[in-house]
Amino acid sequence: GAVVSQHPSRVICKSGTSVKIECRSLDFQATTMFWYRQFPKQSLMLMATSNEGSKATYEQGVEKDKFLINHASLTLSTLTVTSAHPEDSSFYICSANSLSTEAFFGQGTRLTVV
Amino acid sequence: GENVEQHPSTLSVQEGDSAVIKCTYSDSASNYFPWYKQELGKRPQLIIDIRSNVGEKKDQRIAVTLNKTAKHFSLHITETQPEDSAVYFCAASLNNQGGKLIFGQGTELSVKP
Repeated sequence: GAVVSQHPSRVICKSGTSVKIECRSLDFQATTMFWYRQFPKQSLMLMATSNEGSKATYEQGVEKDKFLINHASLTLSTLTVTSAHPEDSSFYICSANSLSTEAFFGQGTRLTVV
Repeated sequence: GENVEQHPSTLSVQEGDSAVIKCTYSDSASNYFPWYKQELGKRPQLIIDIRSNVGEKKDQRIAVTLNKTAKHFSLHITETQPEDSAVYFCAASLNNQGGKLIFGQGTELSVKP
């Protein structure tokens, strides 16, 4: 199947700093990617839809100024958590689709804000 | 928007028994229903999926059934093994949304040897 690579897999940052997470489709082009957040023992919650060449679409309740999404190429979307706080600590995971409907997930990023 | 409810939240079975997890969805326009297995700290892995033009699909020990009228779908695992222990998520999607998935709350399955 198609491969989606996410980096970094783990990151620890200080409260108030920003963290950038990258999501790459390695063997296909993705005009749309999706970002999810998963708190411990909870489900994956869709945060936003990343659209290549245009603004991201955010789900209700997700602050677009805090979670900056950039999708500048057909193979790369980035999520920047700005002014991170301990409550932003979570597992962030991206997905993308090739021509099929199946979603391919990145490895996920464990963010810890201290 | 779409809402997916999943039950039970935890399920414990003896090795060799069957396990059934059920999901309901709210948006009748949803037409793609995947099931994922997620191990701790890992990405979700697709184990089976079904589209709205099919009522049932089977892959070895795993099967999924879909009732469009009632808007619910179920995962059936037969002859469970300890390695089936994980968290399972159902999801719903509209094909024309290109993969936007709305997930159920998850079921923690424990298979006891």
